[in-house]
Formats: sequence, C-alpha cells, structure tokens
Amino acid sequence: GQNIDQPTEMTATEGAIVQINCTYQTSGFNGLFWYQQHAGEAPTFLSYNVLDGLEEKGRFSSFLSRSKGYSYLLLKELQMKDSASYLCAVMDSNYQLIWGAGTKLIIKP
Amino acid sequence: IAGITQAPTSQILAAGRRMTLRCTQDMRHNAMYWYRQDLGLGLRLIHYSNTAGTTGKGEVPDGYSVSRANTDDFPLTLASAVPSQTSVYFCASRRQGDNSPLHFGNGTRLTVT
Repeated sequence: GQNIDQPTEMTATEGAIVQINCTYQTSGFNGLFWYQQHAGEAPTFLSYNVLDGLEEKGRFSSFLSRSKGYSYLLLKELQMKDSASYLCAVMDSNYQLIWGAGTKLIIKP
Repeated sequence: IAGITQAPTSQILAAGRRMTLRCTQDMRHNAMYWYRQDLGLGLRLIHYSNTAGTTGKGEVPDGYSVSRANTDDFPLTLASAVPSQTSVYFCASRRQGDNSPLHFGNGTRLTVT
C-alpha cells in the first residue's frame, strides 16, 4: 500500500531552526510537495522536489532523497506566524497526490 | 472570482437531508478534486475529475457524488447526509498532466446532526 509518515506534532522556539521529516512508500514517484496550513484555513503550496537535493526558498528549504524515500522541510529563523500544520504529499505514477496526516508545528516565544 | 470559490463557508445539516457543496474555479485548470479533512487523518480524496465530462472515485467516495459539466464547476452532493460526514471539505484544482501544485478553495465546514 501507499504510505506517508510525518511526526504528528513538533515544538520549536522563535528564532530557531526546525526540521520536519517525511518518509514515503508509494506506487511510483512524480515529485514531493510541501504545503502549509494555518488553523481554519486552506493548505497553501510551499515547495516541490522531484530531483535529489536541497531546494531553498527564503527561510524555507526542502530536501529529497528518492533512494531513501525521504524528505524534510527546514524552517530557519522561526517566526510566530510559522505556527501551522505542514503537509507532505507525494505524486504517484498516476499523477495523484498521496497525503501525509500533517505535522502541527508550535512556535514558542 | 479569483482562484477557487467554495460555497457555503459552513453549514449545519440534519441527517438524511440532501446537500450540494459548490466549487468554481477561474484558472482554467483541467483537473479538480474534492477532499475531506478530519483531525488526525489528513486530507482524503473523495472524488476527482481529470477533465470536463469525466469523474473518478477517490479513497472515500461512498455517500458522495460529483459532476463535471464544464471546466469551471465541480459540485459535490451528499444524497442523504450522515453524522460521519461531518468534516471540512476542500475543493482543489491543478493543471493535469504535469507536476503543477494543487490550489485549494477556502473550505466548507459541514456539521451533520
């Protein structure tokens, strides 16, 4: 079966760095997406990885290792507004998205 | 209209009643999706449509139906609502056939009593 695993909840301090991991087992692979979802709002697109390596976009970076079925989202210089859930999703061989349950990130002052 | 519009924003519905959740997009995306999101379970695909005139079943289709008469609209119907359908429903769209990301509507919060 297809499976995406991420930690349920993480806590970090304002100004610090946090890494949110995602492991996956899917039927085929056409890329991995990270989305941010604030409470009561819709998910919004953060990043996309299809090749191994690190993609940097401002304070956020996303890493992919296809051989290990592993990705992480790295958030630097954490701000209170980064408190949200972070969703990992893999696009399978049929171009359908398989979603993880999401990681709730709590930022403390 | 900019992006994806869902209506209503929220609804309380008596069990057994019929309800249609509306979704309209103006991005000319060919693929559209309906998800439900429940605490601890993440997003689960109900139905999808890769192009106007075609629909497909997702992970949790029972109790729901969809239609795709044109590119812009993708309504979701609950024929006879049950309390287990209490959830937040998100409509989404994307360009099918490549790796473009999903764009989401703001969601409909549905409570079935």
